[in-house]
Amino acid sequence: AQSVTQLDSQVPVFEEAPVELRCNYSSSVSVYLFWYVQYPNQGLQLLLKYLSGSTLVKGINGFEAEFNKSQTSFHLRKPSVHISDTAEYFCAVKGSYGGATNKLIFGTGTLLAVQP
Amino acid sequence: DTEVTQTPKHLVMGMTNKKSLKCEQHMGHRAMYWYKQKAKKPPELMFVYSYEKLSINESVPSRFSPECPNSSLLNLHLHALQPEDSALYLCASSHPDRGLLVTEAFFGQGTRLTVV
Repeated sequence: AQSVTQLDSQVPVFEEAPVELRCNYSSSVSVYLFWYVQYPNQGLQLLLKYLSGSTLVKGINGFEAEFNKSQTSFHLRKPSVHISDTAEYFCAVKGSYGGATNKLIFGTGTLLAVQP
Repeated sequence: DTEVTQTPKHLVMGMTNKKSLKCEQHMGHRAMYWYKQKAKKPPELMFVYSYEKLSINESVPSRFSPECPNSSLLNLHLHALQPEDSALYLCASSHPDRGLLVTEAFFGQGTRLTVV
């Protein structure tokens, strides 16, 4: 079975500073990794995904993430954050078992709190 | 069109009521999902439909009854709910995963359910 760990429940950061949100996964099979963002009282929006290929993945709103197989990590980064980036960020994993419609499993989430 | 539309946005119901949540997508996705999200928690998978057939039921109580009448629509019928069932209910859709072909899920804005 696969799982996702987000060690930081909350990350406070000042506006225009860089930020890294950490995500580690556990799986015995090929994995597919995603970062979603959830603004207050909203659904989830896909930021970026790693399915295969280049380990550095660029997403929307200036975010990027790097897949590191040896460290089983998929950390999310942004070089300069804005107040509007304040939201809950979820790392998620799907494992490939060769069947149809694999489960999407979420980490516990990290609240990014951007301060002026 | 990358939208998943959920109605209603808010719902208050009594413990003896019967109500339904609706979800619609026109992206040609043949996998649709129901998630439940409590405050400050990650989404938890409830049901998955693949090609209009129920493929995953995460041991959800029978007071929640899913239905997929066609490839664009997903319903969640609610009956005799408890106050602890109050949560944000999220619908999502994707192409069905096939072996190594894995795709991302698109989420709706959710229905905020309050059981009184």
